[in-house]
Parts: sequence; C-alpha cells; structure tokens
Amino acid sequence: EVQLVESGGGLVQPGRSLKLSCAASGFTFSNYYMAWVRQAPKKGLEWVATISTSGSRTYYPDSVKGRFTISRDNAKSSLYLQMNSLKSEDTATYYCARLGYAHGWFAYWGQGTLVTVSS
Amino acid sequence: EIVLTQSPTTMAASPGEKVTLTCRASSSVSYMHWYQQRSGTSPKLWIYETSKLASGVPNRFSGSGSGTSYSLTINSMETEDAATYYCQQGSSYPYTFGAGTKLELK
Repeated sequence: EVQLVESGGGLVQPGRSLKLSCAASGFTFSNYYMAWVRQAPKKGLEWVATISTSGSRTYYPDSVKGRFTISRDNAKSSLYLQMNSLKSEDTATYYCARLGYAHGWFAYWGQGTLVTVSS
Repeated sequence: EIVLTQSPTTMAASPGEKVTLTCRASSSVSYMHWYQQRSGTSPKLWIYETSKLASGVPNRFSGSGSGTSYSLTINSMETEDAATYYCQQGSSYPYTFGAGTKLELK
C-alpha cells in the first residue's frame, strides 16, 4: 500500500524558513517523480514543485520559484521542501504527492501538513 | 499558463440523477485529470488521462473530452459522491488546477 506521510509544518513568522519532509513507503520511491501541492484554507489546489526520479530536474511555478527548493533522498525514500522567505500567502496545507507513470497527474497524496505564516 | 475553468461552481443533485461537470482549458491540453476531495480529507485521483478511472472508482463515473473541453459524468448520483471535484492539466508547466466544483446532495 502506498503511504506518504508529511511532517514539519507549523507556525512560522513572515520572512523565516521551514523545511517539510515526506516519508514514502509501499512503492519503489526512486522510480517515480514526486511533487508538492498546497491548499490554502478553504481554497483550491495549487501545484508547488515537482522533482524527477534522480533529482536532477526540478520544476516550480513563478509564485514560489527562487524561494522554495524541492529535493529527495532516494536511499531514505524521502522527499523534502525547503521554504525560504515565507509570506502570509504561503499559509496552506502542503501535500506530498507521487506522480503517475507519465508524470502528468498526482496518483497518490499524503494527509498533508499545515504551514501557517503569521507574526 | 493554462487556465482551467470549471462549471458549475456549485451544484446539488438528487440520488439517481445524472450529473455532468465541465472543465474548459484556455489552451489545448493532451489530457485532463480529475480529483475528488471530501470535506476534511486529502484529494484523491479520480480520473486520469481524460477517461481512465483510478483504482476503486465506481464505474458510474466516466470522463471524456479533448482539446480545450472536458467533462466528468456521474451516471447515477449516490450519497457518497458528494464532494468537491477538481480538474488538472499536466500537459505543460506550470501544472494547473481548476477552482473546483462542489457537488452536494439534494
């Protein structure tokens, strides 16, 4: 059974940093692209970052480019999101997701971790 | 960026009723994917590559479309189908989602 368990969320002040982690199990982690998707309170879904199987390719929307960094450790079956220069609009539940075989869709989702950016 | 517009924003359906949700893309995409999110839970992949049902999805659901126009259809509404449905395109970066359709039970 595929399991994705996020951790690392919490309350952080604007301008500060936070690092999220996602522990994956139930599949061969190194074979799949992985991603982060977020959802602001009572809002819709927003794609945040994608990383290739080896970690050599990463993709971001303009809203987080230059501030967020996605990375992975295939030996530990773990995905990370380093978030710097946080803004109030980054407040959201952050989901770790495994992409489908053709990379274009989010096949499995974690339970999410809440990040609140506030002074 | 490809903008996805879902309609309606909200709708209510009675048990047994046929339901159709639509998603329009601002530019042509190869496929559309759909997610179901029940209140307080994580989204779940529901339909991928326009018409393929994810594992465990009842066959009263179907997906269709091409180019800029896509739809998700429920052949006969059931209580458990009440949820918010999001469409998503992964044809080009940035990946984008529609704003969602909230489907309620009448």
